[in-house]
This record gives sequence, C-alpha cells and structure tokens, in this order.
Amino acid sequence: QVHLVQSGAEVKKPGASVKVSCKASGYTFTGYYMHWVRQAPGQGLEWMGRINPNSGGTNYAQNFQGRVTMTRDTSISTAYMELSRLTSDDTAVYYCARDSVPIVATIRGGWFDPWGQGTLVTVSS
Amino acid sequence: DIQMTQSPSSLSASVGDRVTITCQASQDISNYLNWYQQKPGKAPKLLIYDASNLETGVPSRFSGSGSGTDFTFTISSLEPEDIATYYCQQYDNLHTFGQGTKLDIK
Repeated sequence: QVHLVQSGAEVKKPGASVKVSCKASGYTFTGYYMHWVRQAPGQGLEWMGRINPNSGGTNYAQNFQGRVTMTRDTSISTAYMELSRLTSDDTAVYYCARDSVPIVATIRGGWFDPWGQGTLVTVSS
Repeated sequence: DIQMTQSPSSLSASVGDRVTITCQASQDISNYLNWYQQKPGKAPKLLIYDASNLETGVPSRFSGSGSGTDFTFTISSLEPEDIATYYCQQYDNLHTFGQGTKLDIK
C-alpha cells in the first residue's frame, strides 16, 4: 500500500528556515514525481513545486522561487522541502503528494494520490 | 501562469439535490484538469482526473466534464457525507488550484 508519512509540527521564528520531510513506502520512490502543496489556515491549496526523485530535478512555483529548496534521499525514500526567510504568512499546513503517473510513462501525469498527512508549520515571534 | 477561477466559493444544498461547480482556466488547458474533495483537518482526496475520469473507488454520483477553458463538476444526488470543500487543479503548465468551493447542507 502506497503511504506517505510526514514529519511533525514545527514552530519557527520569523526569518528562520524550516525543513519538512516526507517518507514514502509501498512503491518505487524514484519512479514518481513528489509534489509539495501548502494550505494557510482557512485558505485554499497552493502548489509549491515538485521534485523528480530519480534525477533530483525540481520545478518551483514562481511565488516560492529563491526561497524553497526540494531535495531527496533515495536511500531512505524520503523527500524534503525547505522554506527559508519565513514570515507569518508562511504559517500553514504543508503536504507532500505523489504524482499518480510514473515519470517514464508516455501519458502526462499530474493528479496527486496519495497525500501525506500534512505538517503544520507555525511562524511566530 | 495559468489562473483557475472556481465558482461558486460557497454553496448550500439539500440532501438529494444536484450540485454543480464550475472551474474556468485563463487559457486552454485541454483536459488537464482534476477535482479533489477536502474534509476539515484532512488531506485532499482525488475524485476526478483528466476532467472526466472517475478515480477508482469514488462513488458514481460524482462526475466531471469539459475541456479547453471551461469545466464542470457535478454531484448528481447530494449525500450528507459529501459536505466538504472541492478544488479544481490544472496541470497543463505546472500546477494551479482553484480557490475552492465550500459545500454545506441547507
């Protein structure tokens, strides 16, 4: 069974960085893009970017360019999302989500299933 | 960037009602459009992919249609457990979500 387990809640001061992990199981980790999506309290979903766990290649949403770094450790099937220069606007639940279509597939992938349980990041002085 | 405009932002309906949500893309995205359901405190759940394909295990009262810039999500007969927020998501050029539609019982 495909499963994504994220690290626990974090409290950070403004200006700090946070690194959230997402451990995958039940499938070949390097075979599927991993995406990161965040949701501020009472707000909608915001796509942050994705990583190709095989190559390490990344694509970031324009809103996060220069502030987000996505990495992976294939030896432990874990993806990471690090966000720097935090402000109170970064207070949100951060989700990892696996793309449903294998990277090598001939069809275009882009729907997310499954999702991790979410990690609450609170930025407060 | 592709913008997704979802409407309405909120909706009240009665059990058994037909419910329709629309999503409009700022440019042609073919059928690269998905729909998710999110209940409070939970991660989103995929319902429809590629505009009209029902994800395995999702009840058949849920459906999607459309292509190009205009898309529709329909619940044919509302059940109490369908109370949630629904999001569209495009993946023609990276990914963008609509603002969401909060659905509750009248």
